[in-house]
Amino acid sequence: GAGVSQSPRYKVTKRGQDVALRCDPISGHVSLYWYRQALGQGPEFLTYFNYEAQQDKSGLPNDRFSAERPEGSISTLTIQRTEQRDSAMYRCASSLMSRGLLSFSWETQYFGPGTRLLVL
Amino acid sequence: GIQVEQSPPDLILQEGANSTLRCNFSDSVNNLQWFHQNPWGQLINLFYIPSGTKQNGRLSATTVATERYSLLYISSSQTTDSGVYFCAVNSGGSNYKLTFGKGTLLTVNP
Repeated sequence: GAGVSQSPRYKVTKRGQDVALRCDPISGHVSLYWYRQALGQGPEFLTYFNYEAQQDKSGLPNDRFSAERPEGSISTLTIQRTEQRDSAMYRCASSLMSRGLLSFSWETQYFGPGTRLLVL
Repeated sequence: GIQVEQSPPDLILQEGANSTLRCNFSDSVNNLQWFHQNPWGQLINLFYIPSGTKQNGRLSATTVATERYSLLYISSSQTTDSGVYFCAVNSGGSNYKLTFGKGTLLTVNP
């Protein structure tokens, strides 16, 4: 279908609550990424999925953050016990992945509109 | 990890002017993308350009991989070009992970 979609677009929550952010990638894109963007900064990598497998979670800031992609399509980023410092724009991206003779290569990443999270 | 520096940090233009934005990176790259973040926060792909030159309408980009820089050219700027322009690269073993620069904030006045 169209581009990457994310929901909700805006989320206001109170400190200590859990939030779940959803990402629906472009149909056929096997690679899915989560990034976090603070005000005035560029996005920073959080985690990466290849199909349903979480291949890299090195950017998740602490164990309150988790992500899943159980069927290799829609992904959910969950933040438990939110804190004010978690307030940011959370962006999802997807891409194709191609396999060469010796290695893989990742194609253009397409970003969704983001979820702006505000923790009070 | 790889470092990405963008210049200038801010740029103000009159409508119709041309501009050049620069992105320097500290290591060889497998992927380089330019994005435009519009005032509504959408991050829009402009170019996928790990090397060479591409053009799309009033925009063009050149990456000189051997010298570790990329340039984004905007000609005959319009007010709708306003926003933040990001350069992002990936390299080495984590060639799926984009590292972004801090961006160039462009304001085009009517």
